[in-house]
Amino acid sequence: SQTIHQWPATLVQPVGSPLSLECTVEGTSNPNLYWYRQAAGRGLQLLFYSVGIGQISSEVPQNLSASRPQDRQFILSSKKLLLSDSGFYLCAWRGTATIYFGEGSWLTVV
Amino acid sequence: KQEVTQIPAALSVPEGENLVLNCSFTDSAIYNLQWFRQDPGKGLTSLLLIQSSQREQTSGRLNASLDKSSGRSTLYIAASQPGDSATYLCAVRSISQGGSEKLVFGKGMKLTVNP
Repeated sequence: SQTIHQWPATLVQPVGSPLSLECTVEGTSNPNLYWYRQAAGRGLQLLFYSVGIGQISSEVPQNLSASRPQDRQFILSSKKLLLSDSGFYLCAWRGTATIYFGEGSWLTVV
Repeated sequence: KQEVTQIPAALSVPEGENLVLNCSFTDSAIYNLQWFRQDPGKGLTSLLLIQSSQREQTSGRLNASLDKSSGRSTLYIAASQPGDSATYLCAVRSISQGGSEKLVFGKGMKLTVNP
């Protein structure tokens, strides 16, 4: 069966520090992968999605970037965090139709 | 631009009630609609997915319907239990401008079932 792993689960980082959140999927090949951010009262916002290795689409301009170095690995990064980057980050993958989410990563920028 | 709305934002009910959660969307050109459950501080768990050609899907005490032409979906929860307390989100998958696919979420409805 397919599983999705996301880490770290919780992160507290100072303003201006770098960020790396990692997501891996097991049990499937060539999945569509997504990064979402969930901020209080604002719902889920799609940040990036990828249909294959090295193929990244950005939905909104922001302080973040994404990379897909391997088929089942999706990384969310930032060189310098802003206070506004705080939030709950969710990685997801899509099978033929259903989309599945990881457990999420809580990021607090202080 | 696809917009998904869930009203009300919160609902508190006594245990045992049958519930109807509403989801509306503005663009009827969708591939599918998916209902999720989210417990506090956790990721999203998929409950039901309805393809655009389908009218409803059922899983246990849950039944989801889709009326694509009117841009509406409902999630029916029978005989609600305290364990059903969570935030419920709906999301539609459609094609955005430029041909890329997009999954657009509602902001969710926080359900509290009181014992």
